[in-house]
Amino acid sequence: DTAVSQTPKYLVTQMGNDKSIKCEQNLGHDTMYWYKQDSKKFLKIMFSYNNKELIINETVPNRFSPKSPDKAHLNLHINSLELGDSAVYFCASSPRQGTTGELFFGEGSRLTVL
Amino acid sequence: AQSVAQPEDQVNVAEGNPLTVKCTYSVSGNPYLFWYVQYPNRGLQFLLKYITGDNLVKGSYGFEAEFNKSQTSFHLKKPSALVSDSALYFCAVRATGFQKLVFGTGTRLLVSP
Repeated sequence: DTAVSQTPKYLVTQMGNDKSIKCEQNLGHDTMYWYKQDSKKFLKIMFSYNNKELIINETVPNRFSPKSPDKAHLNLHINSLELGDSAVYFCASSPRQGTTGELFFGEGSRLTVL
Repeated sequence: AQSVAQPEDQVNVAEGNPLTVKCTYSVSGNPYLFWYVQYPNRGLQFLLKYITGDNLVKGSYGFEAEFNKSQTSFHLKKPSALVSDSALYFCAVRATGFQKLVFGTGTRLLVSP
């Protein structure tokens, strides 16, 4: 069983479109994250939810909107896609907020904007 | 603010030789330190972490790391490198009481046969 699963794995779309990436974890963790990895492999946190509550919201354009329907799911919706949004987006989860637990990552969703 | 520096973009080592991947950090208070490995087209995999206690931490696949508070370093080491260790390695830090995990820029390890 995959611990943190993301869909789709690959996404190719045109500028201006809207797209979503879904993430699910079956580890029973309370906290979930979205990270963006750019072409130089630099990893930057975007959002974090703890038990459906937004706790980290980095300086990300408003076109990015996370949604957590329950603590096992964290989806990322992106409006009006731009070329610069092309990246690999990683979902991750960890045990409850404030603990020393490590993050468990999904396999990534590679978004290409043409 | 938390930050992590990985001064080497790439480390080259011959199979069988010891390897070191460097990491220094900056954080207010006590740090929680982590190492992750990323293979091509894969997600990050946890290797080891330092929370408290013994400064030498042992992790997966024979890797270990040494926490040095005075030098604010957390270098990753392995006594004998394998070709299969070739991958991208990330150091990360989290400040005590905060959920945000900040990653370094990554170091590519290339182990030659």
